[in-house]
Amino acid sequence: AQKVTQAQTEISVVEKEDVTLDCVYETRDTTYYLFWYKQPPSGELVFLIRRNSFDEQNEISGRYSWNFQKSTSSFNFTITASQVVDSAVYFCALSLRTYKYIFGTGTRLKVLA
Amino acid sequence: GAVVSQHPSWVICKSGTSVKIECRSLDFQATTMFWYRQFPKQSLMLMATSNEGSKATYEQGVEKDKFLINHASLTLSTLTVTSAHPEDSSFYICSARAFLAGGPDTQYFGPGTRLTVL
Repeated sequence: AQKVTQAQTEISVVEKEDVTLDCVYETRDTTYYLFWYKQPPSGELVFLIRRNSFDEQNEISGRYSWNFQKSTSSFNFTITASQVVDSAVYFCALSLRTYKYIFGTGTRLKVLA
Repeated sequence: GAVVSQHPSWVICKSGTSVKIECRSLDFQATTMFWYRQFPKQSLMLMATSNEGSKATYEQGVEKDKFLINHASLTLSTLTVTSAHPEDSSFYICSARAFLAGGPDTQYFGPGTRLTVL
């Protein structure tokens, strides 16, 4: 069975702190894709990153970085120097050959000024 | 970029009425679209996969007679909630699968439709 676990339900940080959102996935497929999405209060999903199972390179995009480790089935997301605008719910998702997305339960991030 | 729109963005209806939600891919063709439901403070749950020109495939536990899906063209899929009840109140999100030039196979999400059934 396929599953995505985001154990952190809610995280609060003070502005400028770094924060890491955890994502652990389960699948027996060797080909899969992992995603992170941001969902602000408006509800619209904002695409952040896509990673395929054959590419374990970590990625950095501005204040965002992602750490993909197949050995631990994890795809963690770090925001450096957090800002109030980063406050949102963040979802990790897994996609297999069926192209269906399996979403984690989400982590609500609150960045306090 | 690939844009997916939904209409309406929000709707309030009375219990027992039917509501239709449209999902359109504005600048690309999508043979496959997906419908998700998200209850407050919960995750997105896939309801069904909509394929152009064929019947939708529903996930386990989703009533196909209650949630009618039609994918009549390569740019439009509709979800009709029939005989809506308060427990159907939710945020409905669609996505469209696309292969864009130079890019990987990806789903593009619409902005969502908030349904409130009184």
